[in-house]
Amino acid sequence: ELKVEQNPLFLSMQEGKNYTIYCNYSTTSDRLYWYRQDPGKSLESLFVLLSNGAVKQEGRLMASLDTKARLSTLHITAAVHDLSATYFCAVRGMVFGNEKLTFGTGTRLTIIP
Amino acid sequence: EAGVAQSPRYKIIEKRQSVAFWCNPISGHATLYWYQQILGQGPKLLIQFQNNGVVDDSQLPKDRFSAERLKGVDSTLKIQPAKLEDSAVYLCASSLDPHPDRNTEAFFGQGTRLTVV
Repeated sequence: ELKVEQNPLFLSMQEGKNYTIYCNYSTTSDRLYWYRQDPGKSLESLFVLLSNGAVKQEGRLMASLDTKARLSTLHITAAVHDLSATYFCAVRGMVFGNEKLTFGTGTRLTIIP
Repeated sequence: EAGVAQSPRYKIIEKRQSVAFWCNPISGHATLYWYQQILGQGPKLLIQFQNNGVVDDSQLPKDRFSAERLKGVDSTLKIQPAKLEDSAVYLCASSLDPHPDRNTEAFFGQGTRLTVV
């Protein structure tokens, strides 16, 4: 069974600082997603990573995927308050016909002014 | 393009009552998912449909939960009877095609927040 772990679970950081969220998964996959969730809202897709070594950037967020290490990172550069949210990674299984999306536990990010 | 529509947004019921949720996926999306998100946790897949067929329902508590996707478009998720531990947000999502070689990004609806008292 595919297991997805994120760390840290909670992250409080000051504006302007850099930090990284880690996502580890237990079985082979080449498709990883990062989502953002604001309180009381649904999930917003941030990045889709489709291959080993994939790197995508949008504004102050950059995501990367290392399929050999089964690790993805979400790097935050010079954090600003409006990045406060919960961030989830999700990994898609590779069994054909059962490409279930398994989510991590989430990282609740709070940016302090 | 319209997103995934869900209703109701909120529901409060007593334990042992029944409840139903409705989802209308993005037009043309073959795959539909129902997720349960308990407060403070990541979403957990309950059931996945490909058109009107079930692909994965391994984590669906079948003694009380049921879901259907008649005609391969809209879907309903039912709980009967509800328990206190069913309090959660129920998220519906859809994707164009789950094939591994194609982009299978899932788009989520606003969710239904269920409180069982």
